[in-house]
Amino acid sequence: DAKTTQPTSMDCAEGRAANLPCNHSTISGNEYVYWYRQIHSQGPQYIIHGLKNNETNEMASLIITEDRKSSTLILPHATLRDTAVYYCIVSPRRDYKLSFGAGTTVTVRA
Amino acid sequence: KAGVTQTPRYLIKTRGQQVTLSCSPISGHRSVSWYQQTPGQGLQFLFEYFSETQRNKGNFPGRFSGRQFSNSRSEMNVSTLELGDSALYLCASSPAPGTGELFFGEGSRLTVL
Repeated sequence: DAKTTQPTSMDCAEGRAANLPCNHSTISGNEYVYWYRQIHSQGPQYIIHGLKNNETNEMASLIITEDRKSSTLILPHATLRDTAVYYCIVSPRRDYKLSFGAGTTVTVRA
Repeated sequence: KAGVTQTPRYLIKTRGQQVTLSCSPISGHRSVSWYQQTPGQGLQFLFEYFSETQRNKGNFPGRFSGRQFSNSRSEMNVSTLELGDSALYLCASSPAPGTGELFFGEGSRLTVL
């Protein structure tokens, strides 16, 4: 699996957009980019995934660069409840497991 | 639709004992995966089951085992518990294996004394 690099932590202001970067410069053509988050003491929660096109759902937007070597997860209007560890994972769609790294600890401040 | 249910949520065992954890997947989901989460190692894949068959297993000793029943419910067992087995054990379900979109339960937090 391709490895990902994420900042260890970041802060953002409540009500503002939170832009979470992820570097995956060794991504292969068949690997998707997945984002999960884990709120303290809860199980991880699936957010979004994409292959090469930008994706949007009710939770977030995923922007993948044209060369697919990096991506950005955008939380459009961060709330205090978005405080969590965010994991960026690259994996083939048919892989049997997800390899979670250390993630980015995002703290939303009032 | 009910989410993934894991029981028990918390348990305390002593070294040498064994433990069984249970997972009920989302209705209609036939694939169940188990992960171990510790502060030092993060989230690590344990095993994956589909149609009552273990399809894949992570790099864990044989003390860790699991099974899946015909109703897709799954159990995992850890025998001869060690202090290092203290962790949050997470179960995840998906409609089919290998989709990448996993729905996790709240986990079972095991403390080994």
